[in-house]
Amino acid sequence: DAKTTQPPSMDCAEGRAANLPCNHSTISGNEYVYWYRQIHSQGPQYIIHGLKNNETNEMASLIITEDRKSSTLILPHATLRDTAVYYCIVRVAEANFGNEKLTFGTGTRLTIIP
Amino acid sequence: DVKVTQSSRYLVKRTGEKVFLECVQDMDHENMFWYRQDPGLGLRLIYFSYDVKMKEKGDIPEGYSVSREKKERFSLILESASTNQTSMYLCASSLLGLPKNIQYFGAGTRLSVL
Repeated sequence: DAKTTQPPSMDCAEGRAANLPCNHSTISGNEYVYWYRQIHSQGPQYIIHGLKNNETNEMASLIITEDRKSSTLILPHATLRDTAVYYCIVRVAEANFGNEKLTFGTGTRLTIIP
Repeated sequence: DVKVTQSSRYLVKRTGEKVFLECVQDMDHENMFWYRQDPGLGLRLIYFSYDVKMKEKGDIPEGYSVSREKKERFSLILESASTNQTSMYLCASSLLGLPKNIQYFGAGTRLSVL
């Protein structure tokens, strides 16, 4: 799986858009970008994933650069409940035996400020 | 809504005790996983299972065993608990063979071995 680099921490004012960057310059053509988050003392939660097109769901938007070497997760109107550690993961999408584990890096600790 | 339920949020056990951690998912997922999460070490895979009665070792299987007698239930067993097994334990599940490979996590069990 390709290595990812994220800033260790970020702050965002409540109600504003939170933009979380991720660098993955060694990404391969068959690797997707996944985002998870982990709220304190809870299990990780899947947010969104994408290959090369921008994606949006009810939780967030994912913007992937044209060269696919970086991406940005956007929380459009951050609330206090969005305070969490956000993990960017790059990996192949198909479930092959022995290849299923998720490898979380250190992520970005996002703090939403009232 | 997707649901992975772990039997206990907090557990305190004594050294040498046999410990059972239970996980149930209601999504008819083939894959189930047990991870442990420790500060500075991220998520580490202990065991996973891709079918009933099937199991595969992850990165750190020593001191653990698993059981999967029914598709929805995956148990983690600490045969003789030791203090270095004090950790947060996370169960996850995912569908097999689809291009999404998204893992859904339980809330976690924080185990303390005294």
